[in-house]
Amino acid sequence: SAVISQKPSRDICQRGTSLTIQCQVDSQVTMMFWYRQQPGQSLTLIATANQGSEATYESGFVIDKFPISRPNLTFSTLTVSNMSPEDSSIYLCSVDGTISGYTFGSGTRLTVV
Amino acid sequence: GENVEQHPSTLSVQEGDSAVIKCTYSDSASNYFPWYKQELGKRPQLIIDIRSNVGEKKDQRIAVTLNKTAKHFSLHITETQPEDSAVYFCAATPVGGTSYDKVIFGPGTSLSVIP
Repeated sequence: SAVISQKPSRDICQRGTSLTIQCQVDSQVTMMFWYRQQPGQSLTLIATANQGSEATYESGFVIDKFPISRPNLTFSTLTVSNMSPEDSSIYLCSVDGTISGYTFGSGTRLTVV
Repeated sequence: GENVEQHPSTLSVQEGDSAVIKCTYSDSASNYFPWYKQELGKRPQLIIDIRSNVGEKKDQRIAVTLNKTAKHFSLHITETQPEDSAVYFCAATPVGGTSYDKVIFGPGTSLSVIP
């Protein structure tokens, strides 16, 4: 299965600022997914990122708040913009493993103060 | 869109007993159903999956069953061990084809195995 490097692993940010999270995959993948997991909760899909096209956002998530880049088949970034304490969460990227199933990055634990 | 429900939300079993977690999904187009185990502070790990053309799949102590007509699928863990304690998530993938689509997760089941 694909190996994903996600960074940063954690960060503490001031409200009103932005944080960009990076995911690097060791192989080319068609789709990359960004999830949010609030403490004690399930994983909520933010958006799907395909290379060469705009990301597709789920209900409740907008591009201005969570801009995503997908410059090639092994890399993607998620930016959390104009942060507020409600954005404190774990953010995870995931890739389509096709045969081996989806795998996740190690996550970014974000705290907004 | 797809909606996945999962029961129970918490489950406590004695070591050696079996544990069963049940899920339902809403989108009849879903055709791939993975199960993930998430230990505290760690990323979700795929433990078993099943596709819609299969009714049951087993991997050592873990088995998954699928009833497409009823839109139900279940995870069965036999001979539970303390290291099975974790949060388990079922999931469903709507659409499909030769490549998977987005994965929608259930709310999770916190399993505790009591030694």
